[in-house]
Amino acid sequence: DGGITQSPKYLFRKEGQNVTLSCEQNLNHDAMYWYRQDPGQGLRLIYYSQIVNDFQKGDIAEGYSVSREKKESFPLTVTSAQKNPTAFYLCASSIMAGPLNEQFFGPGTRLTVL
Amino acid sequence: ILNVEQSPQSLHVQEGDSTNFTCSFPSSNFYALHWYRWETAKSPEALFVMTLNGDEKKKGRISATLNTKEGYSYLYIKGSQPEDSATYLCAFIIQGAQKLVFGQGTRLTINP
Repeated sequence: DGGITQSPKYLFRKEGQNVTLSCEQNLNHDAMYWYRQDPGQGLRLIYYSQIVNDFQKGDIAEGYSVSREKKESFPLTVTSAQKNPTAFYLCASSIMAGPLNEQFFGPGTRLTVL
Repeated sequence: ILNVEQSPQSLHVQEGDSTNFTCSFPSSNFYALHWYRWETAKSPEALFVMTLNGDEKKKGRISATLNTKEGYSYLYIKGSQPEDSATYLCAFIIQGAQKLVFGQGTRLTINP
């Protein structure tokens, strides 16, 4: 089955630790995205990548880092510099970057920092 | 700061009734509007991508209209069924941008 997988579903970390969230897609999509969801707010874009070895900051990139070494993988690292990392994180992909291409989402990872 | 507002935030509808809700966005430099359905414990799924003023799109019992001049889109569900229970997200994008701006969603619950 084609789709996007995120792991793990739930993640707990101690304050001050870096943590990496996994996102893999087998849809052969060029573009990938990371969003964050907080209660009562819309999805906010953290980082996006239009093509392998390229990525751009979204609206709330501070305290996060990404890499795009392979087309199918776009891991997100939440660093200790992120002031409020507890949130639900969604990864998405689209066939290409661009306003007319629908995005396909993964099931999400809920990160709790203790 | 670009802002997308969805109303109402939540909605309870009796099975079989029809319903609609709104997505409001800045009308200047509009390029496209997306609607997504997000069922509990599942991933958001795309419903529609709309670009033209006056556009109307339909998928089964769900339809959407777009007014880019006044900056709103309506999503209609005809004859609601329990499987329509979900959060409905809209997102818009302005000309020249690569990023979607999402609203906070309308949470729809269908009461049997």
